Amino acid sequence: DTEVTQTPKHLVMGMTNKKSLKCEQHMGHRAMYWYKQKAKKPPELMFVYSYEKLSINESVPSRFSPECPNSSLLNLHLHALQPEDSALYLCASSQTPGEGLYEQYFGPGTRLTVT
Amino acid sequence: KNQVEQSPQSLIILEGKNCTLQCNYTVSPFSNLRWYKQDTGRGPVSLTIMTFSENTKSNGRYTATLDADTKQSSLHITASQLSDSASYICVVSRGSNYKLTFGKGTLLTVNP
Repeated sequence: DTEVTQTPKHLVMGMTNKKSLKCEQHMGHRAMYWYKQKAKKPPELMFVYSYEKLSINESVPSRFSPECPNSSLLNLHLHALQPEDSALYLCASSQTPGEGLYEQYFGPGTRLTVT
Repeated sequence: KNQVEQSPQSLIILEGKNCTLQCNYTVSPFSNLRWYKQDTGRGPVSLTIMTFSENTKSNGRYTATLDADTKQSSLHITASQLSDSASYICVVSRGSNYKLTFGKGTLLTVNP
Protein backbone atom coordinates (compact mmCIF):
# COMPACT_ATOMS: atom_id res chain seq x y z
CA ASP A 1 0.00 0.00 0.00
CA THR A 2 1.66 3.22 -1.18
CA GLU A 3 -1.22 5.51 -0.36
CA VAL A 4 -1.37 8.69 1.65
CA THR A 5 -4.92 9.70 2.45
CA GLN A 6 -6.16 13.17 3.34
CA THR A 7 -9.46 14.37 4.69
CA PRO A 8 -11.47 16.34 3.95
CA LYS A 9 -11.07 16.77 0.19
CA HIS A 10 -12.59 20.24 0.32
CA LEU A 11 -13.00 22.66 3.21
CA VAL A 12 -14.61 26.08 3.34
CA MET A 13 -14.12 28.02 6.56
CA GLY A 14 -14.60 31.50 7.87
CA MET A 15 -11.82 33.57 9.33
CA THR A 16 -13.01 32.94 12.88
CA ASN A 17 -13.43 29.18 12.53
CA LYS A 18 -11.26 26.42 13.91
CA LYS A 19 -10.81 23.37 11.70
CA SER A 20 -8.36 20.53 11.22
CA LEU A 21 -6.88 18.71 8.25
CA LYS A 22 -6.02 15.05 8.61
CA CYS A 23 -3.39 12.91 6.89
CA GLU A 24 -2.78 9.18 7.26
CA GLN A 25 -0.27 6.68 5.89
CA HIS A 26 0.29 3.01 6.63
CA MET A 27 3.60 2.49 4.86
CA GLY A 28 5.66 2.58 8.04
CA HIS A 29 7.18 5.91 7.03
CA ARG A 30 8.81 7.89 9.82
CA ALA A 31 8.85 11.28 8.08
CA MET A 32 5.72 13.26 7.28
CA TYR A 33 5.35 16.64 5.64
CA TRP A 34 2.85 19.43 5.16
CA TYR A 35 3.01 21.53 1.99
CA LYS A 36 0.96 24.50 0.80
CA GLN A 37 0.36 24.90 -2.92
CA LYS A 38 -1.19 27.97 -4.52
CA ALA A 39 -2.66 27.76 -8.02
CA LYS A 40 -0.06 27.33 -10.75
CA LYS A 41 2.76 27.40 -8.20
CA PRO A 42 5.00 24.60 -6.91
CA PRO A 43 4.37 23.18 -3.43
CA GLU A 44 5.96 25.08 -0.53
CA LEU A 45 7.19 23.12 2.46
CA MET A 46 5.54 24.09 5.76
CA PHE A 47 6.44 21.45 8.35
CA VAL A 48 8.47 18.24 8.64
CA TYR A 49 7.89 15.61 11.30
CA SER A 50 10.60 13.06 11.94
CA TYR A 51 9.80 10.11 14.21
CA GLU A 52 6.70 11.95 15.44
CA LYS A 53 8.67 15.03 16.44
CA LEU A 54 8.53 18.39 14.70
CA SER A 55 11.93 18.86 13.06
CA ILE A 56 11.29 21.63 10.55
CA ASN A 57 9.01 24.67 10.70
CA GLU A 58 9.52 26.84 7.63
CA SER A 59 8.55 30.05 9.47
CA VAL A 60 4.87 29.23 9.20
CA PRO A 61 2.44 31.60 11.00
CA SER A 62 1.11 30.32 14.32
CA ARG A 63 -2.44 30.17 12.96
CA PHE A 64 -1.26 26.84 11.48
CA SER A 65 -0.54 24.27 14.18
CA PRO A 66 0.70 20.79 13.24
CA GLU A 67 0.32 17.69 15.35
CA CYS A 68 1.59 14.13 14.95
CA PRO A 69 -0.39 11.89 17.36
CA ASN A 70 1.36 8.73 16.17
CA SER A 71 3.59 7.47 13.38
CA SER A 72 0.68 7.06 10.95
CA LEU A 73 -1.23 10.28 11.53
CA LEU A 74 -0.52 13.92 10.87
CA ASN A 75 -2.93 16.76 11.61
CA LEU A 76 -2.90 20.42 10.71
CA HIS A 77 -4.99 22.59 13.01
CA LEU A 78 -6.27 25.82 11.52
CA HIS A 79 -7.40 28.89 13.44
CA ALA A 80 -8.08 32.50 12.49
CA LEU A 81 -6.97 32.01 8.90
CA GLN A 82 -6.85 34.73 6.27
CA PRO A 83 -8.30 34.59 2.74
CA GLU A 84 -4.75 34.40 1.36
CA ASP A 85 -4.36 31.06 3.14
CA SER A 86 -6.74 29.55 0.61
CA ALA A 87 -4.74 26.87 -1.21
CA LEU A 88 -4.27 23.14 -1.77
CA TYR A 89 -2.70 21.62 1.33
CA LEU A 90 -0.66 18.53 0.58
CA CYS A 91 0.56 15.91 2.98
CA ALA A 92 3.48 13.66 2.10
CA SER A 93 5.50 10.92 3.73
CA SER A 94 8.84 9.21 3.20
CA GLN A 95 10.89 6.52 4.90
CA THR A 96 13.05 9.11 6.64
CA PRO A 97 13.75 12.81 6.21
CA GLY A 98 17.46 12.19 5.98
CA GLU A 99 19.87 11.20 3.28
CA GLY A 100 18.85 8.67 0.70
CA LEU A 101 16.73 8.10 -2.32
CA TYR A 102 13.51 7.87 -0.38
CA GLU A 103 10.58 8.86 -2.46
CA GLN A 104 8.06 11.29 -1.02
CA TYR A 105 4.54 9.98 -1.45
CA PHE A 106 1.95 12.71 -1.67
CA GLY A 107 -1.68 12.61 -0.69
CA PRO A 108 -4.44 13.99 -2.94
CA GLY A 109 -4.60 17.21 -0.95
CA THR A 110 -7.26 19.25 0.80
CA ARG A 111 -8.61 22.22 -1.13
CA LEU A 112 -9.06 24.94 1.49
CA THR A 113 -11.09 28.09 0.92
CA VAL A 114 -11.11 30.81 3.58
CA THR A 115 -14.01 33.23 3.32
CA LYS B 1 20.62 30.79 -5.36
CA ASN B 2 19.04 27.34 -5.51
CA GLN B 3 16.69 27.32 -8.49
CA VAL B 4 14.98 24.90 -10.82
CA GLU B 5 13.83 26.27 -14.17
CA GLN B 6 11.51 24.33 -16.45
CA SER B 7 10.59 24.84 -20.07
CA PRO B 8 8.30 25.19 -21.78
CA GLN B 9 5.74 26.59 -19.34
CA SER B 10 3.00 24.87 -21.30
CA LEU B 11 2.77 22.51 -24.24
CA ILE B 12 -0.07 21.21 -26.38
CA ILE B 13 0.39 18.05 -28.43
CA LEU B 14 -1.79 15.57 -30.28
CA GLU B 15 -2.47 12.14 -28.89
CA GLY B 16 0.13 9.61 -29.99
CA LYS B 17 2.89 12.18 -30.44
CA ASN B 18 6.11 12.34 -28.45
CA CYS B 19 7.34 15.31 -26.45
CA THR B 20 10.31 16.38 -24.35
CA LEU B 21 10.24 18.62 -21.29
CA GLN B 22 13.33 20.42 -20.03
CA CYS B 23 14.69 21.18 -16.59
CA ASN B 24 17.76 23.27 -15.69
CA TYR B 25 18.91 23.61 -12.11
CA THR B 26 21.42 25.54 -10.06
CA VAL B 27 20.78 23.65 -6.82
CA SER B 28 23.83 22.86 -4.72
CA PRO B 29 24.80 20.51 -3.27
CA PHE B 30 23.06 18.14 -5.63
CA SER B 31 21.75 14.83 -4.30
CA ASN B 32 19.11 13.62 -6.71
CA LEU B 33 16.59 14.80 -9.28
CA ARG B 34 12.96 13.75 -9.43
CA TRP B 35 10.19 14.15 -11.95
CA TYR B 36 6.63 14.26 -10.66
CA LYS B 37 3.31 14.24 -12.52
CA GLN B 38 0.54 16.28 -10.97
CA ASP B 39 -3.04 16.16 -12.16
CA THR B 40 -5.07 19.30 -11.52
CA GLY B 41 -6.18 19.49 -7.89
CA ARG B 42 -4.31 16.30 -6.95
CA GLY B 43 -1.05 15.49 -5.23
CA PRO B 44 2.14 14.92 -7.24
CA VAL B 45 3.03 11.35 -8.21
CA SER B 46 6.68 10.36 -8.61
CA LEU B 47 7.78 9.22 -12.07
CA THR B 48 11.56 8.87 -11.69
CA ILE B 49 14.37 9.59 -9.24
CA MET B 50 17.96 9.87 -10.48
CA THR B 51 21.25 10.32 -8.67
CA PHE B 52 24.41 12.06 -9.84
CA SER B 53 25.72 8.89 -11.47
CA GLU B 54 22.61 8.02 -13.46
CA ASN B 55 22.22 9.32 -17.00
CA THR B 56 18.84 7.89 -17.86
CA LYS B 57 15.93 6.17 -16.20
CA SER B 58 12.68 4.89 -17.67
CA ASN B 59 9.24 4.32 -16.25
CA GLY B 60 6.99 2.93 -18.95
CA ARG B 61 6.51 5.61 -21.60
CA TYR B 62 8.44 8.14 -19.51
CA THR B 63 12.22 8.42 -19.91
CA ALA B 64 14.23 10.91 -17.88
CA THR B 65 17.80 11.94 -18.65
CA LEU B 66 20.29 13.73 -16.45
CA ASP B 67 23.49 15.57 -17.34
CA ALA B 68 25.01 16.50 -14.00
CA ASP B 69 27.85 18.39 -15.69
CA THR B 70 25.55 20.85 -17.44
CA LYS B 71 22.90 20.58 -14.69
CA GLN B 72 20.17 19.69 -17.14
CA SER B 73 17.48 17.06 -17.18
CA SER B 74 14.78 16.14 -19.63
CA LEU B 75 11.62 14.07 -19.50
CA HIS B 76 10.62 12.37 -22.72
CA ILE B 77 7.10 11.06 -23.15
CA THR B 78 6.47 8.65 -25.99
CA ALA B 79 3.17 7.82 -27.68
CA SER B 80 1.29 10.34 -25.57
CA GLN B 81 -2.16 9.54 -24.22
CA LEU B 82 -5.01 11.80 -23.14
CA SER B 83 -4.29 10.79 -19.54
CA ASP B 84 -0.82 12.32 -19.82
CA SER B 85 -2.43 15.75 -19.61
CA ALA B 86 -1.05 17.13 -16.35
CA SER B 87 1.63 19.35 -14.88
CA TYR B 88 5.13 17.82 -14.85
CA ILE B 89 7.34 19.06 -12.06
CA CYS B 90 11.11 18.77 -11.83
CA VAL B 91 12.37 18.56 -8.24
CA VAL B 92 15.98 18.63 -7.08
CA SER B 93 17.10 17.39 -3.67
CA ARG B 94 19.89 19.22 -1.85
CA GLY B 95 20.72 16.22 0.30
CA SER B 96 18.11 15.45 2.88
CA ASN B 97 14.76 14.32 1.61
CA TYR B 98 13.02 17.43 2.90
CA LYS B 99 15.41 19.82 1.17
CA LEU B 100 13.56 19.75 -2.14
CA THR B 101 13.57 22.60 -4.64
CA PHE B 102 10.57 22.45 -6.94
CA GLY B 103 10.34 23.82 -10.46
CA LYS B 104 7.18 25.63 -11.52
CA GLY B 105 6.20 22.79 -13.79
CA THR B 106 5.30 22.31 -17.44
CA LEU B 107 1.58 22.07 -18.13
CA LEU B 108 1.07 19.42 -20.81
CA THR B 109 -2.20 19.12 -22.70
CA VAL B 110 -2.76 16.13 -24.94
CA ASN B 111 -5.58 16.62 -27.42
CA PRO B 112 -7.38 13.90 -29.39
